[in-house]
Amino acid sequence: ILNVEQSPQSLHVQEGDSTNFTCSFPSSNFYALHWYRWETAKSPEALFVMTLNGDEKKKGRISATLNTKEGYSYLYIKGSQPEDSATYLCDFSYMNRDDKIIFGKGTRLHILP
Amino acid sequence: ETGVTQTPRHLVMGMTNKKSLKCEQHLGHNAMYWYKQSAKKPLELMFVYSLEERVENNSVPSRFSPECPNSSHLFLHLHTLQPEDSALYLCASSQDWGRGSTDTQYFGPGTRLTVL
Repeated sequence: ILNVEQSPQSLHVQEGDSTNFTCSFPSSNFYALHWYRWETAKSPEALFVMTLNGDEKKKGRISATLNTKEGYSYLYIKGSQPEDSATYLCDFSYMNRDDKIIFGKGTRLHILP
Repeated sequence: ETGVTQTPRHLVMGMTNKKSLKCEQHLGHNAMYWYKQSAKKPLELMFVYSLEERVENNSVPSRFSPECPNSSHLFLHLHTLQPEDSALYLCASSQDWGRGSTDTQYFGPGTRLTVL
């Protein structure tokens, strides 16, 4: 059974502090990984798609890295703001005849004022 | 606003009812998806349609019946559901589906379903 693990499950961060969390996935037959931000009562919104080992993507204060050999991706948020409070999801897809997409349970981020 | 809408946003139904969830995308995408999210579980992919053909059915019980009349619309018909089917049902779309596609998915806001 292929699993995507996200840690921590929940995180409280003081406004202004930087933080990061992890998405772990099976390292064989990797094809692509996405990060999404999901605010309460809204739709999940795509942040990054990552495909190559060593990929580093950035969008404002948020960045992500990818290590396909060891099977993890980090998401970093610099100088957290209240609007960063959300659940951050990652999904993983692999080259297999079933072409499945597997999601993690997410990391719930709370920014404290 | 992601360009994907879902109706209704909330639905309460009895186990003997028949209801339908609707999803519409305004993005010109070729692939559409239904996901289920139960409490404390990851998003579970239920069905995938590509160019109006079902290409993925992840062992979903027959009491859930999808329909894709055209590339912009996706329905999930519900019949004789169980209380454990209560969950958030999310629709998504992407440009394409299939081996080699890294396409990002665009999600709707979901329908919160409660089965009594």
